[in-house]
Amino acid sequence: AQKITQTQPGMFVQEKEAVTLDCTYDTSDPSYGLFWYKQPSSGEMIFLIYQGSYDQQNATEGRYSLNFQKARKSANLVISASQLGDSAMYFCAMRGPVNQGGKLIFGQGTELSVKP
Amino acid sequence: NAGVTQTPKFRILKIGQSMTLQCTQDMNHNYMYWYRQDPGMGLKLIYYSVGAGITDKGEVPNGYNVSRSTTEDFPLRLELAAPSQTSVYFCASSGLAGKPGHTGELFFGEGSRLTVL
Repeated sequence: AQKITQTQPGMFVQEKEAVTLDCTYDTSDPSYGLFWYKQPSSGEMIFLIYQGSYDQQNATEGRYSLNFQKARKSANLVISASQLGDSAMYFCAMRGPVNQGGKLIFGQGTELSVKP
Repeated sequence: NAGVTQTPKFRILKIGQSMTLQCTQDMNHNYMYWYRQDPGMGLKLIYYSVGAGITDKGEVPNGYNVSRSTTEDFPLRLELAAPSQTSVYFCASSGLAGKPGHTGELFFGEGSRLTVL
């Protein structure tokens, strides 16, 4: 069975500093995808970044990067130069093999607060 | 750029009432999903569909039904509403993952907040 774990219910970071949000996963499938979504207080789900299990390099999207450590089964999100607008809930999610419907399972989330 | 559209955005139901949450997408995606999000929690999959006429249960399907008669629409039916169904419901869609350039990311609607009293 697949499982996603986010062990940090809440995090604080000073504006302009970098922050790492932890995510570990468990799966026996060799093919999977890892995603991070942001959910601001307004409630919408915003896709941030994706890492495929066969991707050799860590994914990056602007200020977001995914620290993918396959052997440790971790997929931590790194946000560089934090901004006040980064304050939100962040969810890690995993998708299993494509032939299993493409559905995502989500972690419990980490609430990030950026301090001015 | 409509994307995924859910209606209604807010609804209050009495125990035992029924209702349908509507979801439509205009991206010609094959895959569609319904999730629920309880306060302070992650999203849990209720039902999903890989194409018109095909639906399957997710993690928490009890008390819900779905249908997928067209590619665009994926309504969620709540029968005999219970307080435990108070939640925010998200509909999402996805293109075909595994093809070059396709991550299979989910595109979400804005959510529907349902309260059962």
